[in-house]
Amino acid sequence: DAKTTQPTSMDCAEGRAANLPCNHSTISGNEYVYWYRQIHSQGPQYIIHGLKNNETNEMASLIITEDRKSSTLILPHATLRDTAVYYCIVRVYGTASKLTFGTGTRLQVTL
Amino acid sequence: DAGITQSPRHKVTETGTPVTLRCHQTENHRYMYWYRQDPGHGLRLIHYSYGVKDTDKGEVSDGYSVSRSKTEDFLLTLESATSSQTSVYFCAISPGQEEKLFFGSGTQLSVL
Repeated sequence: DAKTTQPTSMDCAEGRAANLPCNHSTISGNEYVYWYRQIHSQGPQYIIHGLKNNETNEMASLIITEDRKSSTLILPHATLRDTAVYYCIVRVYGTASKLTFGTGTRLQVTL
Repeated sequence: DAGITQSPRHKVTETGTPVTLRCHQTENHRYMYWYRQDPGHGLRLIHYSYGVKDTDKGEVSDGYSVSRSKTEDFLLTLESATSSQTSVYFCAISPGQEEKLFFGSGTQLSVL
């Protein structure tokens, strides 16, 4: 499995874009990048996933570099409710039973 | 929120006692999962189920057993609880093996 590296913590001002990086330099060609977040004491919440093209949904955008060795999750206008731990996960599609969560990035959104 | 209910939400028990946690879903999803979350370890998969009576082990299955007699219920049993099983337990569901999992609110278990 490709391993991921994320910063332990980040800060972002409310209303600004939050850019959360993830390094996955050993990613294989058939592995997707997934992002989840966990708001204090709640269960994780799916955000977005992608293979090689940039993806956008109502929650966030995912930018994957052309060599696929790193990606960035973008929350375009962070709010206090986006304060959470964000997990970057790399997996072959269709193997949810092998999904593993690391320790993620703790994003603190401040006024 | 996806229709997932975990019970109990909190439990305190003594070492050596049996404990059963319940996960109930109203989404009719095929897959159900049990995770535990500990500081410094993220979430780790304990067991999962891919249908009624069909289960398989996850990363940290020792000391745990599961059962799924109905689509909507997935039970996690600690036959003889130990202090190392003090943790927050999360249930998750998914329609298939895609990675879009929906998680419950968790059960805080303390084994004294």
